[in-house]
Amino acid sequence: GAGVSQSPSNKVTEKGKDVELRCDPISGHTALYWYRQSLGQGLEFLIYFQGNSAPDKSGLPSDRFSAERTGGSVSTLTIQRTQQEDSAVYLCASSSPPYSEQYFGPGTRLTVT
Amino acid sequence: AQSVTQLDSQVPVFEEAPVELRCNYSSSVSVYLFWYVQYPNQGLQLLLKYLSGSTLVKGINGFEAEFNKSQTSFHLRKPSVHISDTAGYFCAVSGLNYGQNFVFGPGTRLSVLP
Repeated sequence: GAGVSQSPSNKVTEKGKDVELRCDPISGHTALYWYRQSLGQGLEFLIYFQGNSAPDKSGLPSDRFSAERTGGSVSTLTIQRTQQEDSAVYLCASSSPPYSEQYFGPGTRLTVT
Repeated sequence: AQSVTQLDSQVPVFEEAPVELRCNYSSSVSVYLFWYVQYPNQGLQLLLKYLSGSTLVKGINGFEAEFNKSQTSFHLRKPSVHISDTAGYFCAVSGLNYGQNFVFGPGTRLSVLP
C-alpha cells in the first residue's frame, strides 16, 4: 500500500518568510510524528499526534513552529518567520497499534537563505 | 522514560568485513527495540525489530541483532558488509504500550570502504 508521503520534497525560502510542510500518513495510522534532522545529525523530535488526544508539543523549538492535524489524517507543520538555523530535513512518520514502530516519509529539505 | 545510547558516531569498515553497531538502552519498564537505516537523502526504513520471543532477530539486507536484557543492549551485526550498506543506522526503543515514549538514539554513520 501507499507509504507516508511528504510535500514538497525541497523548499527554498528567504529568511523571514513563512513555510508550510505537509505530511500524508499511511491510511488508518492513528499516530503521527514530526522530526527535524540537521545535516549528518540525529533526529530531533518536534511534535506527536495520537488520535483525538491533545498533541505532545514538547519538542517544538520555539513559538514560530506549529503543527496541526486535520481529520486525524493529513498534518501540516508551519514555520513562521523562518531563520537560517531552521534549515534542515523535516521528517514525518506514522504508526498504528499495537506496536509503536514508525513508518517514515522521504522528508522535506528546507533551505532558508 | 527510556533513553538510547549509540556510542559510535562513525564506523568505517572495509567491504566484506564484519561489522557491529552498538546500542544500549535505559528503561524502567519492558521495551520493544528497533533498528532503522537511513540511506543518503532518504527517510528512515525499518531494518529489524524485537518485540518478544527469540532474542536473535534477523532483518533485511543480511543484518541481525541480539537483545540482551541483562546488558540492556541491542547490538546490530552483519557478517560481511557491502558498499551499499553505507548509511546512517538508528537504534530506537519504546515502551510496551502503544505510542509510549518512542525514543531514537543519536545514530551511527557506517562507511563501507572499497
